[in-house]
Amino acid sequence: DTEVTQTPKHLVMGMTNKKSLKCEQHMGHRAMYWYKQKAKKPPELMFVYSYEKLSINESVPSRFSPECPNSSLLNLHLHALQPEDSALYLCASSQGGDGYTFGSGTRLTVV
Amino acid sequence: ILNVEQSPQSLHVQEGDSTNFTCSFPSSNFYALHWYRWETAKSPEALFVMTLNGDEKKKGRISATLNTKEGYSYLYIKGSQPEDSATYLCAFNNDYKLSFGAGTTVTVRA
Repeated sequence: DTEVTQTPKHLVMGMTNKKSLKCEQHMGHRAMYWYKQKAKKPPELMFVYSYEKLSINESVPSRFSPECPNSSLLNLHLHALQPEDSALYLCASSQGGDGYTFGSGTRLTVV
Repeated sequence: ILNVEQSPQSLHVQEGDSTNFTCSFPSSNFYALHWYRWETAKSPEALFVMTLNGDEKKKGRISATLNTKEGYSYLYIKGSQPEDSATYLCAFNNDYKLSFGAGTTVTVRA
């Protein structure tokens, strides 16, 4: 299995909702990442997990809460989001910082 | 925040023509430069990871060059085909983080 799988592909949520994005890989990669991309802009790094521990938080607001339950799974818990948080959320994994593999993303709309 | 610039933002090319576009990045603390091909609703697909100044890599009709001293990389598409239509992203790899450019969107007209 050489893929990163993200679910759901699309998500619409209200500003008072709690939802979670899920990312899964079975390549044995020890680093996993969350990126956020707004239209016509570069993907921006949000969080990095290395060996299941949070190693980088790029000053992301606390309404985004990452979780890495095991080496294959990465979640992003969402709570009290704002409409400006609507974006494509990409997950990626890598082994040793080279050869990143990306998922196809979750398109999030906050209403 | 690392400044990674891609130019042009978009381009149209006739089927069979060749094209190229650029990625500029900081020339200090260089580790690697990645190129990705990204079709709508799909995962970004890794094309090249370039590490050495003067590197030139090729995959089919697509090739890339790297100049780390002046901080730029070119991506070339030879004999463009409709299936080459996609957004091409470059990413500067530094300190185990990827900093992306905004991409060049290529549309190949039949």
